[in-house]
Amino acid sequence: KQEVTQIPAALSVPEGENLVLNCSFTDSAIYNLQWFRQDPGKGLTSLLLIQSSQREQTSGRLNASLDKSSGRSTLYIAASQPGDSATYLCAVRKLTGGGNKLTFGTGTQLKVEL
Amino acid sequence: GAVVSQHPSWVICKSGTSVKIECRSLDFQATTMFWYRQFPKQSLMLMATSNEGSKATYEQGVEKDKFLINHASLTLSTLTVTSAHPEDSSFYICSGGGASDTQYFGPGTRLTVL
Repeated sequence: KQEVTQIPAALSVPEGENLVLNCSFTDSAIYNLQWFRQDPGKGLTSLLLIQSSQREQTSGRLNASLDKSSGRSTLYIAASQPGDSATYLCAVRKLTGGGNKLTFGTGTQLKVEL
Repeated sequence: GAVVSQHPSWVICKSGTSVKIECRSLDFQATTMFWYRQFPKQSLMLMATSNEGSKATYEQGVEKDKFLINHASLTLSTLTVTSAHPEDSSFYICSGGGASDTQYFGPGTRLTVL
């Protein structure tokens, strides 16, 4: 059974810092990995999707990397802003037999302070 | 991007009553819809997968007679929590599947059972 873990569980940084969020998964047979953002009491916003054949994806100040063989992904946020404060979730799709099912990580709660 | 709506956004009910939550894909046809449950400060846990016109597939440990799912059309799925109890209080999120590696998430429904 796939297990997805995120470290740290919570993070507080001053505005302007660059930061890295970590995601690890136990079964490397994944189709792709996706990073989401969730604001309190809200649904999910997709940030980046990395196919299993890719090493990284970039969108603005966000960069996500994937090392499938070691079961790891990182989300790099450059020049953090208070508006980045949210919970960040990674999720993986199974390579075969899982359809479009996502297994979510435990989440990292980020707070960017002025 | 594709939009998924949920109704209601929040509901409070008495123990023993049933509550229905609607999930609609507004601008695309969702052949598959997913229902998740999220407890405070925890990640999303998949409850069930429903395909239009067929019975839902429930994850291990989810009672299908308690959480009734109907996916009668390509744009609407409903989750009915039957005989709700306080332990069913949670944040319920649905998503609609478009292409094989895409899910679009609704804003969530906060259920509080008194």
